[in-house]
This record gives sequence, C-alpha cells and structure tokens, in this order.
Amino acid sequence: DAGITQSPRHKVTETGTPVTLRCHQTENHRYMYWYRQDPGHGLRLIHYSYGVKDTDKGEVSDGYSVSRSKTEDFLLTLESATSSQTSVYFCAISEDTTNTGELFFGEGSRLTVL
Amino acid sequence: QKEVEQDPGPLSVPEGAIVSLNCTYSNSAFQYFMWYRQYSRKGPELLMYTYSSGNKEDGRFTAQVDKSSKYISLFIRDSQPSDSATYLCAIFSGGYNKLIFGAGTRLAVHP
Repeated sequence: DAGITQSPRHKVTETGTPVTLRCHQTENHRYMYWYRQDPGHGLRLIHYSYGVKDTDKGEVSDGYSVSRSKTEDFLLTLESATSSQTSVYFCAISEDTTNTGELFFGEGSRLTVL
Repeated sequence: QKEVEQDPGPLSVPEGAIVSLNCTYSNSAFQYFMWYRQYSRKGPELLMYTYSSGNKEDGRFTAQVDKSSKYISLFIRDSQPSDSATYLCAIFSGGYNKLIFGAGTRLAVHP
C-alpha cells in the first residue's frame, strides 16, 4: 500500500468553524491532490500541488485553500465550514503528472458540518 | 452534460455471474481509460487502465474501449463476493492534464 495517511479520519464540526485536513505521504511523490466524493458526483478535484509551495485549483475549489510547505504534507483548509462541504475527502498522490491517470489514494476523511 | 456518465446501480448478481460495467464519455481527446475499485470505507485503487481502443485482460477482469462510440466497459468473469465494491471509471487526457471520474457503480456479489 502507498504510504498515505489522512487525519483526522472522522470529524464533526459546526457551520462557520475552520477545519484543516492533513495528508501525509512517505513516498516522496511530487504530486498531491485533494478530492471530495459525494453520491452521484463521483470524485471531484478540489486542489492539487505539483511541488512545495506550488498549488493550483481544481474544479470545485471555492471555499477551500491548501498549503504545502514540505514534500510529504498537503493541508486542506475550510476557512468557514458550510453544510455543503459535508463530504468524504480523499488525498491522492502520483509520482509524476498523471501521464496515465494512476493515482494512489488515502483512506479518506469523513467530514460532517452541522 | 457530464463528461463521463456512469450508471450508479446498485448492481446485485449471484456468485459466478459475468458482470458488465459501463461508462460513456463525451470528449474524444481523452486517451487513457481507467477502472478504479473502491471497497466500502476505503480509498479507490487502480484496477486496470487501457490506452486507445481495444481490450485488455487481467485475470478475471477485461477492460474494453470503443473510441468510435465513446464507450468503455469492464467485464468481470466468475464474479466473487470479494468483488463487491464500487467501480469507478475514469478518463485522462495528457494534453489537458485532466482526469475525470465517473460517479461509480456499486456492485454486490452474493453467495
């Protein structure tokens, strides 16, 4: 299994509170991604990183920010959580740009915003 | 219109059945076609990928791509209860550096 650890695995929070999810990898892969998974929508890309301090937006980036200060860590922050951000969040890594679409995923972080 | 359409199921079959999972896509620029498998409460894992049209076989699994009709399929032979999972198709364009997932089909194989 790829060395990807997400924390926390489960979180319940209230609307308006800040939330940070952490992804830690031990593979030294350059690319890291944050996806959210919702019924009927599959996996949708929030943000991705192609190196330390290099990040870019995905298709559903509104309300989210990311940071990558070290190769191994990629943080996803919800500055002010809303109920629409209740979802399962997956971190993924790839060795290089997805030249074939092969990503390695973490086990997910289940977030509930009340 | 979504770029990738996948019937969410659920699909329930008896053990030993042949399973057919399908997706359609709209943009002919995509060159790589993948199937990911996701067990309950786990992250997806890559099962198979194919490049361009044709078939690719790996044990009991066969991935098929028909680029002329923009249709991709995954066949599972002699299905087992351990195959019970959600299967997500995905398409990738190197030119656009874009990876798009289908919504996933939930499969249950009962003994």
